[in-house]
Amino acid sequence: AQKITQTQPGMFVQEKEAVTLDCTYDTSDPSYGLFWYKQPSSGEMIFLIYQGSYDQQNATEGRYSLNFQKARKSANLVISASQLGDSAMYFCAMREGRQTGANNLFFGTGTRLTVIP
Amino acid sequence: DAGITQSPRHKVTETGTPVTLRCHQTENHRYMYWYRQDPGHGLRLIHYSYGVKDTDKGEVSDGYSVSRSKTEDFLLTLESATSSQTSVYFCAISEQGGLSYEQYFGPGTRLTVT
Repeated sequence: AQKITQTQPGMFVQEKEAVTLDCTYDTSDPSYGLFWYKQPSSGEMIFLIYQGSYDQQNATEGRYSLNFQKARKSANLVISASQLGDSAMYFCAMREGRQTGANNLFFGTGTRLTVIP
Repeated sequence: DAGITQSPRHKVTETGTPVTLRCHQTENHRYMYWYRQDPGHGLRLIHYSYGVKDTDKGEVSDGYSVSRSKTEDFLLTLESATSSQTSVYFCAISEQGGLSYEQYFGPGTRLTVT
């Protein structure tokens, strides 16, 4: 089973509007971390935001916030006041606490966001 | 920006030839990772290292080997490249292996095996 599912291959948003990128995850581990990364057309992976499974509040970083719904196993990324520079691929990823050593990230397949002027 | 470089940035090679990709960091981070990125699969872990000479396999390790003789360098070797190894390879580093430690990624290496 996929550990991370991103069901939106592509999304469009008008500049200055808010947009939500969906992410659902699958784990039986009570301890886990959820991450969002941005990949612009230049190719680099940029860390955006982190949410721990035991965090009581939703994470926020500037215009990015994570809508964490633990019971639904969803960790949607909300980008407020979209800018043209937000056009990129966005990846949701998870790390499970029971992993020893690596704590590697499991990635979804990504959502391509296009911001329309 | 985290100090991570990858070399080469682009490489075209023939099937059956050995290839080594290099990841170099200036952050003195303990953990280093190699991922590959393919359409429809996101990023998948190939190998990782949790210290000098300490390495282990990820989920797609077949056909790859790694070495880490210094904290700052992590090498990925394709012993005999195949067309299925055509991909974009990313190196990542993490200060520690704990749950909340984000991974910082290098710029990537685009490898084409003909």
